[in-house]
Amino acid sequence: GAGVSQSPSNKVTEKGKDVELRCDPISGHTALYWYRQRLGQGLEFLIYFQGNSAPDKSGLPSDRFSAERTGESVSTLTIQRTQQEDSAVYLCASSSLGSYNSPLHFGNGTRLTVT
Amino acid sequence: DQQVKQNSPSLSVQEGRISILNCDYTNSMFDYFLWYKKYPAEGPTFLISISSIKDKNEDGRFTVFLNKSAKHLSLHIVPSQPGDSAVYFCAAGPTGTASKLTFGTGTRLQVTL
Repeated sequence: GAGVSQSPSNKVTEKGKDVELRCDPISGHTALYWYRQRLGQGLEFLIYFQGNSAPDKSGLPSDRFSAERTGESVSTLTIQRTQQEDSAVYLCASSSLGSYNSPLHFGNGTRLTVT
Repeated sequence: DQQVKQNSPSLSVQEGRISILNCDYTNSMFDYFLWYKKYPAEGPTFLISISSIKDKNEDGRFTVFLNKSAKHLSLHIVPSQPGDSAVYFCAAGPTGTASKLTFGTGTRLQVTL
């Protein structure tokens, strides 16, 4: 059974470069979330998609961060001009509904290291 | 401002004993609460949830207790097993809206033999 798939699993990039992180949610899940976890901290909400629309992008930390979702499926999180403070594990999650009656299913994350 | 707090970063418990993980929240709008479990190099997995209309929810060895007046919830694991060793995240949010959860910083549980 396919769960949430994220790629790459690890990414090392130089400061100032752009990176793209990919998420393939569970088939049929309409809700998709991006979170990040910096070292020693909890999960920090970034953005929420319902279908291809993002009704809540309040967690994106700056305009260097953007995300899109197409075909009510794959989502890409893009970080432009990466900074060292962007180093974190970026987690994608999906659920069948956008409510808490359907818990989030997380991928294994992409560990981003900005040098 | 940490709206969901897990004040114990780590906890060590002997196999067979009870593990109690605690979580406090400050936002009165939160009325749905969840616990997630995370192993290294994996994403969190859903464990158990509770809504504010209840004060207890049980699922096998796992029980979550909610004290709304104290804005406190706890997860009890009885009996604890070595496979329970993981990081446990408390999460909270308002129901009725497709919105984001607020997660705590996690408690690392180690169950020793």
